[in-house]
Amino acid sequence: AQSVSQHNHHVILSEAASLELGCNYSYGGTVNLFWYVQYPGQHLQLLLKYFSGDPLVKGIKGFEAEFIKSKFSFNLRKPSVQWSDTAEYFCAVKTAGSYQLTFGKGTKLSVIP
Amino acid sequence: SAVISQKPSRDICQRGTSLTIQCQVDSQVTMMFWYRQQPGQSLTLIATANQGSEATYESGFVIDKFPISRPNLTFSTLTVSNMSPEDSSIYLCSVPDSYQETQYFGPGTRLLVL
Repeated sequence: AQSVSQHNHHVILSEAASLELGCNYSYGGTVNLFWYVQYPGQHLQLLLKYFSGDPLVKGIKGFEAEFIKSKFSFNLRKPSVQWSDTAEYFCAVKTAGSYQLTFGKGTKLSVIP
Repeated sequence: SAVISQKPSRDICQRGTSLTIQCQVDSQVTMMFWYRQQPGQSLTLIATANQGSEATYESGFVIDKFPISRPNLTFSTLTVSNMSPEDSSIYLCSVPDSYQETQYFGPGTRLLVL
């Protein structure tokens, strides 16, 4: 069975600081990888996804993630965070060709103005 | 993208009672998913609801506890039966995108059982 671990439960940063949120998954086959974000009071929404090709994926709002197959990782990065990035971030994985998503426990990001 | 609404948005219930959560999508979809997010935990898939057939439940979830209806291609309900405080969670429905690559999520129903 697949599993996803997110390294940090709560991250607190000042505006303009750089962000990296860790995500590791366990599954030996071909996977599709996702980062979802939930802003306060809003729906869970897709931030970015990786299916194949360039392992560096760019998403909305300046976020990017790098798939490192040898490390089973898909870390989320942003060079300079803003207060509006305050949200909860979820890493998810699914087996290629299936529809079932397996989520990590989420990382709450608080950005201090 | 699909627009999904859920009712109720939140509720406080007494143990032993049941609550039915509604999920409405603005487009026709074959599959709908129900998830649970317990406090401090990840989203866990409860079941997949296909129109015209019985829902498929994941390990650890049973139909008697979480009966699901799927009367048409835009609507589904999840009932949490005979509730206990351990059922206090956020319940979310989701639908796949057109390419079956990812999912769109509803706003969730926040349930507190006393």
